Amino acid sequence: ETGVTQTPRHLVMGMTNKKSLKCEQHLGHNAMYWYKQSAKKPLELMFVYSLEERVENNSVPSRFSPECPNSSHLFLHLHTLQPEDSALYLCASSQDAGLNTEAFFGQGTRLTVV
Amino acid sequence: TQLLEQSPQFLSIQEGENLTVYCNSSSVFSSLQWYRQEPGEGPVLLVTVVTGGEVKKLKRLTFQFGDARKDSSLHITAAQPGDTGLYLCAGGPQTGANNLFFGTGTRLTVIP
Repeated sequence: ETGVTQTPRHLVMGMTNKKSLKCEQHLGHNAMYWYKQSAKKPLELMFVYSLEERVENNSVPSRFSPECPNSSHLFLHLHTLQPEDSALYLCASSQDAGLNTEAFFGQGTRLTVV
Repeated sequence: TQLLEQSPQFLSIQEGENLTVYCNSSSVFSSLQWYRQEPGEGPVLLVTVVTGGEVKKLKRLTFQFGDARKDSSLHITAAQPGDTGLYLCAGGPQTGANNLFFGTGTRLTVIP
């Protein structure tokens, strides 16, 4: 138990569906992240939020839309995804978003786009 | 892009053997972290090293940060089946960027 909880654990969606991934952290951290983990590729950072403000967007397609209503919750809204978007989506949090950041990860959501 | 390459990519050994995993880059990092990820789970932080030449030990695991802060190694002594997993290194950038750069990973299998 890392203090970061993601739901759902598994999600299958069609290319025309709209779904959302949820992440909640109970660590009192100020920064939260979305990562994408695909087979045979390094973890890819998608979004960074610090104190509920988005501070980084790594050229992620607009079909992925993050939302951070408060410092404990992070959402990733999905719409009109492609099969190549199938991957493990990991949420992480850290005390802050500065140097020497130590990240605590959730268990991930395994997403399959059909 | 600050690329971190890990080697070997896959490693399968017998219980009780020793092994070393490497993490190399042409970039300098302010810190280097090692994570272990088990199937169906997210990565879990094992250690952070911040000083060039630093060595940290965690039971049977020994982590070293290169003098130039461009590379790191993880040595496991007397491997056990519970050590099985994906080992990831991650570098903290020198500038004020808000992210870690993850390595390509080493998938370790320890056979009982």
